Amino acid sequence: EVLLVQSGAEVRKPGESLRISCQVSGYSFTSYWIAWVRQMPGKGLEWMGIIYPGDSDTRYSPSFEGQVTISVDRAINTSYLHWSSLKASDSAIYFCARGLAVSAPSDYWGQGTLVTVSS
Amino acid sequence: EILLTQSPGTLSLSAGERATLSCRASQSVSSTYLAWYQQKPGQAPSLLIYGASTRAAGVADRFSGSGSGTDFSLTISRLEPEDSVVYYCQQYGSSPPTFGGGTKVEIK
Repeated sequence: EVLLVQSGAEVRKPGESLRISCQVSGYSFTSYWIAWVRQMPGKGLEWMGIIYPGDSDTRYSPSFEGQVTISVDRAINTSYLHWSSLKASDSAIYFCARGLAVSAPSDYWGQGTLVTVSS
Repeated sequence: EILLTQSPGTLSLSAGERATLSCRASQSVSSTYLAWYQQKPGQAPSLLIYGASTRAAGVADRFSGSGSGTDFSLTISRLEPEDSVVYYCQQYGSSPPTFGGGTKVEIK
């Protein structure tokens, strides 16, 4: 069974750093891309970026380039989304999702991680 | 970046009726690269349709997709109560992939 399990909800203050995770199982981690998608409260979906665990090839949406870092740890089948300095506007639910290619739909999704940034 | 505009924002119909959701792109999208997702409250999106018209595994056949170029649609042939959720279109052929703003389907 394909599973993408994300880390739990986080509360941070503005300016703090944060890394959330997405651990996969049930398929070859290095054979599929992992995308990250943001959903702000009550809003739609925004594609942030994508990484290929096989060689760490990473692409970002211009809207998120320089704002976040996507990485992987192949030893534990996990992808990460990292912020070095959070803003209140980063408060959202973040989803990871699997795709066969950059130009492919996301067929399996993680359950989402709620990030709250508040002073 | 390709902008996807979904309409209507909210669609209110009775159970058993036919629902047609629209997704219009700011520039041409190859039909190979257009998907529809369903998102239930408090859950992650789930893939319904890809390649504009191919149902994902396990998706009920009352869901169908069509369209080409800049105009695509998702049709639910006979609405059931569990279809009362939000639907998003996505193009994934042009970088960056983009989503539409969503259509909420309500059952009267």
